[in-house]
This record gives sequence, structure tokens and C-alpha cells, in this order.
Amino acid sequence: DTAVSQTPKYLVTQMGNDKSIKCEQNLGHDTMYWYKQDSKKFLKIMFSYNNKELIINETVPNRFSPKSPDKAHLNLHINSLELGDSAVYFCASSQEAGGETQYFGPGTRLLVL
Amino acid sequence: GESVGLHLPTLSVQEGDNSIINCAYSNSASDYFIWYKQESGKGPQFIIDIRSNMDKRQGQRVTVLLNKTVKHLSLQIAATQPGDSAVYFCAEKAGGNKLTFGTGTQLKVEL
Repeated sequence: DTAVSQTPKYLVTQMGNDKSIKCEQNLGHDTMYWYKQDSKKFLKIMFSYNNKELIINETVPNRFSPKSPDKAHLNLHINSLELGDSAVYFCASSQEAGGETQYFGPGTRLLVL
Repeated sequence: GESVGLHLPTLSVQEGDNSIINCAYSNSASDYFIWYKQESGKGPQFIIDIRSNMDKRQGQRVTVLLNKTVKHLSLQIAATQPGDSAVYFCAEKAGGNKLTFGTGTQLKVEL
């Protein structure tokens, strides 16, 4: 069974569109994260939720809006997509909000044309 | 600001040799460090971690060394195998809930 899963795996879309990425974890963890990995493989935290509550909100354009309907799910909605949004987006989860051992999903490869 | 960096962007080793991947960090308040392995097309995978009250921790074929005096972290892989080819990241945490990742080192294992 996949521990942290994301859908879709690939997403190709036009500039200006709105899209969502979904994440689910079946590890029973309390905390979930969204990371962005650029073309140089640099991983940067975007958001984190602990028990459905936002605890980390890095300097991210407000076109990005995370939503956590329950502690096993964390979705990411992106409005008005821009070319610079092209990246791989990873979801992760950890047992607690301390953020130590995090388990990553397989990633969503977003390409904005 | 504080950052976590790696000395070498690419490391090539012969199969069977030992690999050493280095990481420098600048935040003296960091109290937790972790290494991840990312294979092509996959998400980062936990390898090993260490807290600042330790100097060394061993896992299966991997050892992490922490030198707090010079703010240096290393990952040693014994008897490197082709399956070890990947990008390796170090990350650190200085309180709070956030891991800060380094820029990654590509490990290439030559047959």
C-alpha cells in the first residue's frame, strides 16, 4: 500500500488556468506538507498542516491555497497559473508537528505552457 | 539567512567503493539533521537522521557523522552499489516545524 499518494502524477496546462493537486496519507500522521522542487532539484517548504490547522505558511504567492479536509488529506489549489509555477510538487507527512522524519509522496510534475 | 549547503554537486564512485557525501550548515541552533535519497522520478526517501547530541549514527551500510564545531555533516555509504545512484539531500531543523534542505549531491556509481 502506498503510504503517501498524490494525484495527478503529471499535469500539463496553459498559463492562466486553475488547477488542483491532491495528497493522501494512510500512515495515521498528524502533519502534512507541500514542497516545491525546482529544475535544480532545490526543495522548498510551502505549507504545513497539523490536524487540519495551518502551521507553516512560507512566502508563497496567494494564488496558492492549501486545504486540509481532514488530517489524512492535504490538497493544493493554484489559481492563474504562471510559467514559473512549473516544478515538481511533493506532498509529505510526519507523525507530529515537529517535522522531523517526513515521508514523501511520488510528486506531481506540473508544466505550465 | 541561514542555509544548508553541499560541497560537491556531483560525486562519481566505482561500484564497491565507499562514498562520502558532505554537507555544511550555518545555523548553529540546528539540533536535528536528516539525509534523504531521491531516485530519478521519485520522491525523497528517508535514509538516516541524527540529533545534535550525537556525533555518529550508523544504519545499514550508511553512517552519518556530525561535527558541530565546524558545522559539518557527512553521509558515508559502504560498498556503494548501482542502486545507490541518486541525488542525496541533507536537511536541518533548528526548532520549529520546518526542515531546511540543502541543494543536493548527485551520486553516480560506475560499474
